[in-house]
Amino acid sequence: SQKIEQNSEALNIQEGKTATLTCNYTNYSPAYLQWYRQDPGRGPVFLLLIRENEKEKRKERLKVTFDTTLKQSLFHITASQPADSATYLCALGDSNYQLIWGAGTKLIIKP
Amino acid sequence: SQTIHQWPATLVQPVGSPLSLECTVEGTSNPNLYWYRQAAGRGLQLLFYSVGIGQISSEVPQNLSASRPQDRQFILSSKKLLLSDSGFYLCAFPGASNYGYTFGSGTRLTVV
Repeated sequence: SQKIEQNSEALNIQEGKTATLTCNYTNYSPAYLQWYRQDPGRGPVFLLLIRENEKEKRKERLKVTFDTTLKQSLFHITASQPADSATYLCALGDSNYQLIWGAGTKLIIKP
Repeated sequence: SQTIHQWPATLVQPVGSPLSLECTVEGTSNPNLYWYRQAAGRGLQLLFYSVGIGQISSEVPQNLSASRPQDRQFILSSKKLLLSDSGFYLCAFPGASNYGYTFGSGTRLTVV
C-alpha cells in the first residue's frame, strides 16, 4: 500500500541555522508533492508545490527538492527564525487532485 | 480572493448525539470540496469529497455522512456520534495548478 513517512520526532534547530525536513514515500508515483505549514489548532497552510519533473523549487527562505529515484523530498528553511516553529506536512498528489498525507514533523527553532 | 469558512471551531458532544459541521467557500464556483479528519500524530485522513452539488464520494466507511446542498456549501453529519469520532475536522478545496489546497480553520470535536 502507499506509504508516506515524515520524521515523527520533533526537530530542534538553533535560530539562524538551516532546518531540513524529510519526506519519504513508497509504492507511489506522484505527479507532484506539496509542503504545508500547520500551527496548533489551525488548518494547514500551503507553502510550495514541486512537480515530478522538477528537481528543486525555491520561495524566499524555503527550498524543496524532489528525487523521484530515491522517492524522497527535502524541505529546507534557511536562516531559521523562532516564528518558523510549527508542524510541517508533506503531501503527494496525483492528476486527479487526490492527496495522501504524511503525519508531519514538528519543528522547533530555539532563539 | 478565495476563502473558506468552517464552524464551529470547538465542539463537545455526548456519545449518541447528532453532528452537523458546515463549510462554505467564497471566491470560486463549482470547486471540488473535501472533508478531512486529523488525529493526533497522524496524517490527514480523507473522509469525503464532492465534485458538485449532490455528488459525494466516501473514502472511509464510518459513522459519518456528507452532503452538498449548494455549490459552495459542504456539510458533515452524523446521526449518532461515537467516541472514535473525536478529532480535528478540516474542510478544504484545491487551488489552481500551482497552488495547494486551501483549508478551513478546522473544528475540534470531542465526543464524551
